Amino acid sequence: DTGVSQDPRHKITKRGQNVTFRCDPISEHNRLYWYRQTLGQGPEFLTYFQNEAQLEKSRLLSDRFSAERPKGSFSTLEIQRTEQGDSAMYLCASSLGSTAGAGNSPLHFGNGTRLTVT
Amino acid sequence: TQLLEQSPQFLSIQEGENLTVYCNSSSVFSSLQWYRQEPGEGPVLLVTVVTGGEVKKLKRLTFQFGDARKDSSLHITAAQPGDTGLYLCAGGSNFGNEKLTFGTGTRLTIIP
Repeated sequence: DTGVSQDPRHKITKRGQNVTFRCDPISEHNRLYWYRQTLGQGPEFLTYFQNEAQLEKSRLLSDRFSAERPKGSFSTLEIQRTEQGDSAMYLCASSLGSTAGAGNSPLHFGNGTRLTVT
Repeated sequence: TQLLEQSPQFLSIQEGENLTVYCNSSSVFSSLQWYRQEPGEGPVLLVTVVTGGEVKKLKRLTFQFGDARKDSSLHITAAQPGDTGLYLCAGGSNFGNEKLTFGTGTRLTIIP
């Protein structure tokens, strides 16, 4: 069973450095989501792709954040000039989209990348 | 902005007891999903409810979607240590966007 895979699992970086995370979704899934989760909270939506098109970005996604899904398969999330407030778990999820909307398409999450900015 | 508040935030009970977790919002959702998350892992879907008043059962877990589709509850009967985890509700919308709005979470601990 090849679920959603995220790499790396953990990343420790110094403030001001750039970091990049990778997500490999379930192969037949056309939708890919990035969420951020801080300790003890629920995940917060960052951005969403349908195939290679980035269709929505949260206001949480400042100009230091960029996400790509160039071939409609894997995705990368880059954070430039990291800040301590960026420390969080970054979760990727994928789904097989339908016309019924996100609420009817269960998300399959990866195990996340835990970022610590020192 | 759609917000989902969960209560209680923390719950610690003895094995064998029953419990209910609530998920409330002032917004209407097209569907409501419940996830469970264990430390170091991503959330795992438990159930999706889509119809107001809908009740779904998953072994000892009973999920209900409110009639107005603004709230939901999760009831666990005879809790077991394996039920320990972070329970998250998430609302879906058909209003032109594709994201799920997650609740604040309920951290459940079942004491053997």
